[in-house]
Amino acid sequence: AQKVTQAQTEISVVEKEDVTLDCVYETRDTTYYLFWYKQPPSGELVFLIRRNSFDEQNEISGRYSWNFQKSTSSFNFTITASQVVDSAVYFCALRGRGGTASKLTFGTGTRLQVTL
Amino acid sequence: DTGVSQDPRHKITKRGQNVTFRCDPISEHNRLYWYRQTLGQGPEFLTYFQNEAQLEKSRLLSDRFSAERPKGSFSTLEIQRTEQGDSAMYLCASSLLVDLSEQYFGPGTRLTVT
Repeated sequence: AQKVTQAQTEISVVEKEDVTLDCVYETRDTTYYLFWYKQPPSGELVFLIRRNSFDEQNEISGRYSWNFQKSTSSFNFTITASQVVDSAVYFCALRGRGGTASKLTFGTGTRLQVTL
Repeated sequence: DTGVSQDPRHKITKRGQNVTFRCDPISEHNRLYWYRQTLGQGPEFLTYFQNEAQLEKSRLLSDRFSAERPKGSFSTLEIQRTEQGDSAMYLCASSLLVDLSEQYFGPGTRLTVT
């Protein structure tokens, strides 16, 4: 069975602070994919990143960066210099490989509130 | 380039009524997924299609739920004899028929059963 844990239910930061959202996963698959999605107040899930289990390189995209550590089964997400527009619920998700493993298993989400 | 669309966006119904939701995926996407999201939770998988074939159904999908994708394009999700516990956001997503493909989500249909 697959499981994703996002222990932080809610985080509040002041604009321009850096913030890290934690994600820990469990899977028996040797090949798998990890994702982060953003759900703003409008409700639509927005894809942010996909990481393959065989690629442990960290990734940076603008103010966003992701740290994938297979040894600790973690895939953490850092927002640098947060902005009010970053306020949303962020979901980490896991998917196996191929055919019937296509479904995403989501964590419970972390609500990020960025204030001025 | 249109994204995934869902109709209606909101539905209020009385307990015991049947409801049907529609999802139109991104046009070239072969895979289509349905998820359900309740307040404060992440989306939970319900079922998915590859073209017109329904390949997997979650145990969450009781006998009152049925999904179709008759021509491999749009899909419908029907809930019969709705219960208050069915109140949730129903999300549709689509992806390419490639293992590395990410899923793109629609805006969802919010169902309220009174």
